[in-house]
Amino acid sequence: AQTVTQSQPEMSVQEAETVTLSCTYDTSESDYYLFWYKQPPSRQMILVIRQEAYKQQNATENRFSVNFQKAAKSFSLKISDSQLGDAAMYFCAYRYNFGNEKLTFGTGTRLTIIP
Amino acid sequence: SQTIHQWPATLVQPVGSPLSLECTVEGTSNPNLYWYRQAAGRGLQLLFYSVGIGQISSEVPQNLSASRPQDRQFILSSKKLLLSDSGFYLCAWSVSDSSNQPQHFGDGTRLSIL
Repeated sequence: AQTVTQSQPEMSVQEAETVTLSCTYDTSESDYYLFWYKQPPSRQMILVIRQEAYKQQNATENRFSVNFQKAAKSFSLKISDSQLGDAAMYFCAYRYNFGNEKLTFGTGTRLTIIP
Repeated sequence: SQTIHQWPATLVQPVGSPLSLECTVEGTSNPNLYWYRQAAGRGLQLLFYSVGIGQISSEVPQNLSASRPQDRQFILSSKKLLLSDSGFYLCAWSVSDSSNQPQHFGDGTRLSIL
C-alpha cells in the first residue's frame, strides 16, 4: 500500500524568507501523481501544486516550487518570499495513475509565518 | 465553472442519533466523488468514493455509509453516531478518467458528537 510521510509537524519562517516542507512516499508503482494542498484556518483544501511522476522537470507555480526526486521518493515544497497568507496546514498527497484515483495524504505540516 | 457545495457547515449531534451530510457538485457531469474525514490535528482519511450513480466503494469499515442517488449528489449517513465520529468531514470531486486532474474540495462540515 502507498504511504505518504511528512516528518515536520510544524515549521515557521520569517516573512519574505524561503521555507522548504518535506514529504516522502512509498510506492511500488512508476506512474503516479503528487500534490501539495494547503488548508488555511478556514479549513478549505486548496491545491497548491502538482507533479507528474513521468516528468523530470520540477513543477513551479509562482512562489511555489517542488523538488521531486523520484529515485529517493521525495517530494518537497519550497515557498519563496513567504507571505502572511501562506500560513496554513500543508498536506502532501499521492495518487496512482490508474484505478480508482484515490488520494493518499500525509499527516500535514503546520506552517507559521513570523511577521 | 464547477462548484461544490457541502452542508451543513457545523453540526452538533448526540451519541446514537442519525446523520446525513450532503454534497452536490455543479457545472460538471459524471464526476468522481469522495468523502474524507479529518480528525483534529491529523491528515485526511478517505472514507468513501464513487465513480458513478449507485457505485460506492468503502475504504474504512465503520458505522458510516454513503449513497449517490444522483449524478452530482453524494450523501454521507449514519444510523447511530458514535463519539469517535467527531471530526471534520470533507467532500471532494474530480474529473473522471483523468488522473492528472486534482480533487476539488468543499468547505467541510465540522461534526461534534456529545
